[in-house]
Amino acid sequence: AQKITQTQPGMFVQEKEAVTLDCTYDTSDPSYGLFWYKQPSSGEMIFLIYQGSYDQQNATEGRYSLNFQKARKSANLVISASQLGDSAMYFCAMREGPGSSASKIIFGSGTRLSIRP
Amino acid sequence: AAGVIQSPRHLIKEKRETATLKCYPIPRHDTVYWYQQGPGQDPQFLISFYEKMQSDKGSIPDRFSAQQFSDYHSELNMSSLELGDSALYFCASRPSLGTPHEQYFGPGTRLTVT
Repeated sequence: AQKITQTQPGMFVQEKEAVTLDCTYDTSDPSYGLFWYKQPSSGEMIFLIYQGSYDQQNATEGRYSLNFQKARKSANLVISASQLGDSAMYFCAMREGPGSSASKIIFGSGTRLSIRP
Repeated sequence: AAGVIQSPRHLIKEKRETATLKCYPIPRHDTVYWYQQGPGQDPQFLISFYEKMQSDKGSIPDRFSAQQFSDYHSELNMSSLELGDSALYFCASRPSLGTPHEQYFGPGTRLTVT
């Protein structure tokens, strides 16, 4: 069963606008972690932000913030003031189990974000 | 800061040949993961190691094997290569204790099977 769902295959956004990338997840484990990774056309996988299931506050890292709605099982990524360099594929991912767990992470199908000048 | 190192970065092999991909984790990271990303797809987990022991196994073909060595580097051995093995292979690492919780990915090895 698909555990990470990204319903937006592609998005176009004007430079300097904010953008929200959607992600919903499914798990029965009360302890889990949610991640967002950025993959530019060069191929590398860049870690952006992490949210633990027990974290009380939404995670933020610079222009990135994670809108974590636990009851709705959603973990949307918000990028403020988008830049041309933000054009990339974005993957939402999840690890089941506590942070100390060596569990693998599973990825969603990704959203390709294109920033227009 | 040191990052995960993967070698080679690019590899071209013919069908039925063998390939060995290497991964050097970030210092003090004792857990290593391998992922395979086919063209236009999301990364799929293959196998992981913790303290030189296999800790989890995903959709790794029997033609593939992997191990983690005493210095924590890992190698993915692929035999009887098929066209469908053409993909970007990522290695990721993380420490087993404390933070960070995220897995740090290497730049990937792009394998092309002809």
